[in-house]
Parts: sequence; structure tokens; C-alpha cells
Amino acid sequence: DAGITQSPRYKITETGRQVTLMCHQTWSHSYMFWYRQDLGHGLRLIYYSAAADITDKGEVPDGYVVSRSKTENFPLTLESATRSQTSVYFCASSEAQMNTEAFFGQGTRLTVV
Amino acid sequence: AQTVTQSQPEMSVQEAETVTLSCTYDTSESNYYLFWYKQPPSRQMILVIRQEAYKQQNATENRFSVNFQKAAKSFSLKISDSQLGDTAMYFCAFPSGGSNYKLTFGKGTLLTVNP
Repeated sequence: DAGITQSPRYKITETGRQVTLMCHQTWSHSYMFWYRQDLGHGLRLIYYSAAADITDKGEVPDGYVVSRSKTENFPLTLESATRSQTSVYFCASSEAQMNTEAFFGQGTRLTVV
Repeated sequence: AQTVTQSQPEMSVQEAETVTLSCTYDTSESNYYLFWYKQPPSRQMILVIRQEAYKQQNATENRFSVNFQKAAKSFSLKISDSQLGDTAMYFCAFPSGGSNYKLTFGKGTLLTVNP
């Protein structure tokens, strides 16, 4: 099915562990984004990517790592999870044109205990 | 840098009534688009409406319309004949252009439609 999918949908992990959230899109959109959603903060951009092998920091990149070896995949890794990284994470993709909408995955609810 | 401000964290409206959600933004760009996204309890982000800054006419999509005031940098969303299914978080969003394309969101307004 065409679209953008995130996995897992829910994840509980312990402080200090490494966690990778997966994102896959089937449209061949050039741009992909990772956001975190927290109450009172809306959606904050973590990292984004303009194309394969091109990534850049967003508003809140500390503690996160991304890669984009293929256009369709954009995994987000928490190298050493902290409780402050408990959040809902959204992946999105878009063409690099101002008039086009971004398409979002269903989100991953991550809890760090 | 672009900023997007939604000053109403929560709002409520009675079914069938009209409600307006506010959004202000700041940019130095001359042409741009603005978006409203809806996030129902399912968490899925859904585009509601978009507006091009060069168009003087306000965008309309069925019961949803915008009041775009470019000089005031204001972009409010009006929902007419509110329905229970309109209960959701609403986000105003602003894409920056050029080679540094990215989408900036406001903090959101939680709208509750009461029966």
C-alpha cells in the first residue's frame, strides 16, 4: 500500500538503551522529517532530510541520530534514551515545494522508564 | 527564522455553531503558503486547508475557511456548522522555502465540539 509507515507504534524502553524508530514512505518524496509531539509544545522538528545522504538538524536534535541511505527510509535513533525523550514521534514526507502538503505516519509513542 | 503562534491552547463550541481558531506568524519571505492540519484522537495528521499568500481570496474547503490577513500576518481558521467529528487538535503550519525547506508548526489548539 502506498503511504508512509512508522514502526513500532508503541515502544517502552529503559534509560540508557539505544532505540531506533523506523519510517518508510512509498511516494519517493525527496523530503522527510522527524517531529516529536509533547503537550504544550506542539510538533517540534528533530531532523529533516532533503534527499538520500543529506540530513540536517531541526529545532531539538540533541540525543538523536538519523540516516538516509535510501530515499524511502529515514530511521531515527536515540543513542542513549533519557526520560525526557518520552514523547510521540511523527515521521513525515513531502515534495520540496511550498504548496504541497506533508504526509504523516501514524506516530510512535515512546516511553522511557 | 519563521515562527508560528497559536494563542488559544483550548477552545470549545456547541455542535452546529461556528468557531474561529487563531494563528499568527512571522516571516521575511514574500510568497509562501500556510496550512491548517487537524489531528483527531486517532493521532493521524490530516491537511484541512491551505492558503497561498499571493492570493487575496480566502481559501475555503466545505465548512472550513480561512481569514488571511497578510499585512497583519494572521491566518485564522473558521469552522462552520461544527460537528462532533471536528473534535481534534488543530495546528497551523508554515513551510519555509528555498533550499532550506522545512515545515514549522504552532503549538496547537485543542477544539472540543459539545453535543
